[in-house]
Amino acid sequence: GIQVEQSPPDLILQEGANSTLRCNFSDSVNNLQWFHQNPWGQLINLFYIPSGTKQNGRLSATTVATERYSLLYISSSQTTDSGVYFCAVSSGTYKYIFGTGTRLKVLA
Amino acid sequence: SAVISQKPSRDICQRGTSLTIQCQVDSQVTMMFWYRQQPGQSLTLIATANQGSEATYESGFVIDKFPISRPNLTFSTLTVSNMSPEDSSIYLCSAQGAPEGYGNEQFFGPGTRLTVL
Repeated sequence: GIQVEQSPPDLILQEGANSTLRCNFSDSVNNLQWFHQNPWGQLINLFYIPSGTKQNGRLSATTVATERYSLLYISSSQTTDSGVYFCAVSSGTYKYIFGTGTRLKVLA
Repeated sequence: SAVISQKPSRDICQRGTSLTIQCQVDSQVTMMFWYRQQPGQSLTLIATANQGSEATYESGFVIDKFPISRPNLTFSTLTVSNMSPEDSSIYLCSAQGAPEGYGNEQFFGPGTRLTVL
């Protein structure tokens, strides 16, 4: 099956800093999503981005499907950005496989 | 986006007992799934809940341990049977295929935090 690796596994930032999170996948995919899991466990949809670039406020994402990776950019980070960021991919069957996650802590 | 609710939000159970988790979606969806998230880990797919037929289980998960129902296009249940402390996890329901325009995007419920003593 598809393997999904995320880096870095852990990240600590000062408020206001920028960061880039990476998601590598081992095979071609039809669907890719980025999620933020807040400290209460809720999964929040950030982007559905099987290819191309999207932006939503301080967040943006780019997927280069031919090279099997996706990037999530967080600019001017805030303490509320803390939590775990997951990418998830699926290929054909609509069953999403989740990555290993990046645990982000933003310090005030 | 689809709005998904789960009940209960959390529970503490004794080993050997069973717990049924309910998942309700605010619109008809094509597909519903159940995931498990063990402490500090990523999400693992348990099964696809099929409307009107038996669920499709992933490797390592069996129907006797995790029976699933899906009587219609908006509702599903997951039962965790004969629980042990190793079953302590967050169980999440997800939906895909609605509303129109969100076909391949998956949305998640708030999760059920289960502790087994």
